Amino acid sequence: RKEVEQDPGPFNVPEGATVAFNCTYSNSASQSFFWYRQDCRKEPKLLMSVYSSGNEDGRFTAQLNRASQYISLLIRDSKLSDSATYLCVVNLSGGYNKLIFGAGTRLAVHP
Amino acid sequence: ETGVTQTPRHLVMGMTNKKSLKCEQHLGHNAMYWYKQSAKKPLELMFVYNFKEQTENNSVPSRFSPECPNSSHLFLHLHTLQPEDSALYLCASSPLFGQLYEQYFGPGTRLTVT
Repeated sequence: RKEVEQDPGPFNVPEGATVAFNCTYSNSASQSFFWYRQDCRKEPKLLMSVYSSGNEDGRFTAQLNRASQYISLLIRDSKLSDSATYLCVVNLSGGYNKLIFGAGTRLAVHP
Repeated sequence: ETGVTQTPRHLVMGMTNKKSLKCEQHLGHNAMYWYKQSAKKPLELMFVYNFKEQTENNSVPSRFSPECPNSSHLFLHLHTLQPEDSALYLCASSPLFGQLYEQYFGPGTRLTVT
């Protein structure tokens, strides 16, 4: 089983749509969780950290379910500029700064 | 954005060459990382340095040799590489305090081994 699993997509959605990405992780002792965004041929950029209580940043909402070992990202009112690959990232406990990246979910927003 | 810089941005080298990748961070972080990203594969952590000390070597072949002279600079020395080593090599840095250890990436060096 992969340590971090994501649906690779692609998700093709029209502008203004709401889209949700899911991610599962295998290590129940994982402590920190993130969503990164990576544009084509560019470096990953931190989108948001994921807190236990869930958190929101503008059109983006992240949720964490520790019991199910599941992380989600919701994007509301999609923009063309949201087109990118979204990476689910988990910080393993014990390796206190060892991030494990999922393979990413590709999002394509069309007019 | 110039928080983490990498040079060169592109590199083509033969299997018998020796080259080095350079990374510099201007964020005041104390941890630096090398990652490899091959086509259609997740980022693979290669090395971790905390306060200039290597704390992680993720079973990386010895033809990749990292060097961290101080908390702001990180090098990856390359020698006798194989074509399958062609990939995007990303450097990242993070703080070591606080819970989240958010990492910030440089733009990467796209390496082609011929």
